[in-house]
Amino acid sequence: AQSVTQPDIHITVSEGASLELRCNYSYGATPYLFWYVQSPGQGLQLLLKYFSGDTLVQGIKGFEAEFKRSQSSFNLRKPSVHWSDAAEYFCAVGDNFNKFYFGSGTKLNVKP
Amino acid sequence: DGGITQSPKYLFRKEGQNVTLSCEQNLNHDAMYWYRQDPGQGLRLIYYSQIVNDFQKGDIAEGYSVSREKKESFPLTVTSAQKNPTAFYLCASSISGGYGVNEQFFGPGTRLTVL
Repeated sequence: AQSVTQPDIHITVSEGASLELRCNYSYGATPYLFWYVQSPGQGLQLLLKYFSGDTLVQGIKGFEAEFKRSQSSFNLRKPSVHWSDAAEYFCAVGDNFNKFYFGSGTKLNVKP
Repeated sequence: DGGITQSPKYLFRKEGQNVTLSCEQNLNHDAMYWYRQDPGQGLRLIYYSQIVNDFQKGDIAEGYSVSREKKESFPLTVTSAQKNPTAFYLCASSISGGYGVNEQFFGPGTRLTVL
């Protein structure tokens, strides 16, 4: 069965520090992977997606993610975090019929 | 501007009452989705519709109902049979609901509180 695990419920980083959010997926076929961001009380915004090709994917707001098939991972990274990046981040895998399976989310706090 | 609107943003209802959440999109998308979000549980799929006049149950459909009479509209009714209806509800759409994968676009959500 398809599933997504985000092992870190909360992460706190200092402004200007680097960030890595972990995502592991379970999916039998070629995965279609997504990272979304959610500000409190708001909907989700797509940061980036991986369908095929280059395993390092660039997204909006300076985020990138790397697909590692051998580790079933799709970790999100940012070299330098800004205070405005504080939000909740969701990893998702989509199946071939456009059903998405979301992780439980990681809340990011940014210290000044 | 194209997008998804959900109304109202906050909704309060008494226990035992049915309530309908609105979702409208002007993106000309074929597929629409309803998710429920609870703290620490991510998003869980309630219902989805790949085309007008057709919809399928998601993972947690019990106590909910939907209709898809128009391409742009996908209302969700939370019935009195839903045991724990208090939650944040998100509507989404994608360009196609058929075979293949397309990103989903999300509305701003409706927070339902049952008193």
